[in-house]
Amino acid sequence: EVQLVESGGGLAQPGGSLRLSCGGSGFTFRNYAMSWVRQAPGKGLEWVSVINTGGGGTNYADSVKGRFTISRDNSKNTLYLQMDSLRAEDTAVYYCARVVPEMSGRPDQWGQGTLVTVSP
Amino acid sequence: QSVLTQPPSVSAAPGQKATISCSGSSSNVGNSYVSWYQQIPGTAPKLLIYENNKRPSGIPDRFSGSTSGTSATLGITGLQTGDEADYYCGAWDTSLSAYVFGTGTKVTVL
Repeated sequence: EVQLVESGGGLAQPGGSLRLSCGGSGFTFRNYAMSWVRQAPGKGLEWVSVINTGGGGTNYADSVKGRFTISRDNSKNTLYLQMDSLRAEDTAVYYCARVVPEMSGRPDQWGQGTLVTVSP
Repeated sequence: QSVLTQPPSVSAAPGQKATISCSGSSSNVGNSYVSWYQQIPGTAPKLLIYENNKRPSGIPDRFSGSTSGTSATLGITGLQTGDEADYYCGAWDTSLSAYVFGTGTKVTVL
């Protein structure tokens, strides 16, 4: 069974930083692109970023470009999202998702999400 | 800001059919596979339809997808109370080099 478990969410100050992690199991993590998708309270889904299997290729939504960095450690089956210069509008539940069949593909398996709140 | 447009809400009686539209452009729906997701409040999204009209294992054939030009449609037949949820379309946008989601549609079973 595919499992994705996010962690690292919490309260951060505007201008501050947080690092999210997502552990994958039940599949060969290194063979899949991975992404982050967020959902602000009461709002719709917003794609944030994607990373290819090796970690050398990434894409970002314009809303986070230059502030967020996606990375992965295939030896640890873990995906990361480094979030810097946080803003109130970054407040959301952050989901990690497996992407198939390649980096420009669809999220197919999702974690349960971790809540990030940006507030003074 | 969502690039794909969906109606905010759709409702129908139990046993009836609900149809949800997803309007995009030539850089996304018109040029990439469309997926559909179901999200029950408080839970993570679940993939319902991929590559326009295919269903993952375990998804009943009451759910169907189709595309025409720059629009896509999700159909749900034999509506059940358990189908009450938010539904999102999604596709890769070749101009943005980003995955884009629809605005979301809340389905209510009357």
